[in-house]
Amino acid sequence: EDKVVQSPLSLVVHEGDTVTLNCSYEVTNFRSLLWYKQEKKAPTFLFMLTSSGIEKKSGRLSSILDKKELFSILNITATQTGDSAVYLCAVVGYGQNFVFGPGTRLSVLP
Amino acid sequence: GAVVSQHPSWVICKSGTSVKIECRSLDFQATTMFWYRQFPKQSLMLMATSNEGSKATYEQGVEKDKFLINHASLTLSTLTVTSAHPEDSSFYICSATDAGGVSSYNEQFFGPGTRLTVL
Repeated sequence: EDKVVQSPLSLVVHEGDTVTLNCSYEVTNFRSLLWYKQEKKAPTFLFMLTSSGIEKKSGRLSSILDKKELFSILNITATQTGDSAVYLCAVVGYGQNFVFGPGTRLSVLP
Repeated sequence: GAVVSQHPSWVICKSGTSVKIECRSLDFQATTMFWYRQFPKQSLMLMATSNEGSKATYEQGVEKDKFLINHASLTLSTLTVTSAHPEDSSFYICSATDAGGVSSYNEQFFGPGTRLTVL
């Protein structure tokens, strides 16, 4: 059975801290892993990862995939209150079906 | 727990026909279900929010008469794409929550999606 596990489920930090969010998966015929940020409405796309070991970076956010160990991490440096959101990890498998993780709820305090 | 399924997972239809997509919460009662459409570059657009027993709330720019949403029970919501055209071809994803309302976004459970191809 395909599944995606995220940890921690909830995290509270202060502005300026660095956080690492984890996503591990088991999926048939892996195609890609996606990270989304969800605040109020639709999740906002952050990264798509398909190859191991290649870091993707966007501002203070970065992510990397390990296809051997079946996990990905999302790093956020110098966190800001605007980073408070739920971060979703989704894996796309055979047939392009999505398997979403439960999300990590990040709260950044001033 | 907290499993959401969608059916069908993939559908191909001719232009002008209507297609119904089902979203079911398998082990919980979903007071609210959300329908998303995937756009290029992996972005997800919220189309509508449906609450059991009431009319769906559509996002700006989404045609109500084209995308009919019915949330008849606490475990089932359907999206019907009426008179489908090739530009409707996309990936449609639903999510469900048992806490109700956008403020409970962290409790959304996503379905696997339905790929619609309109010829």
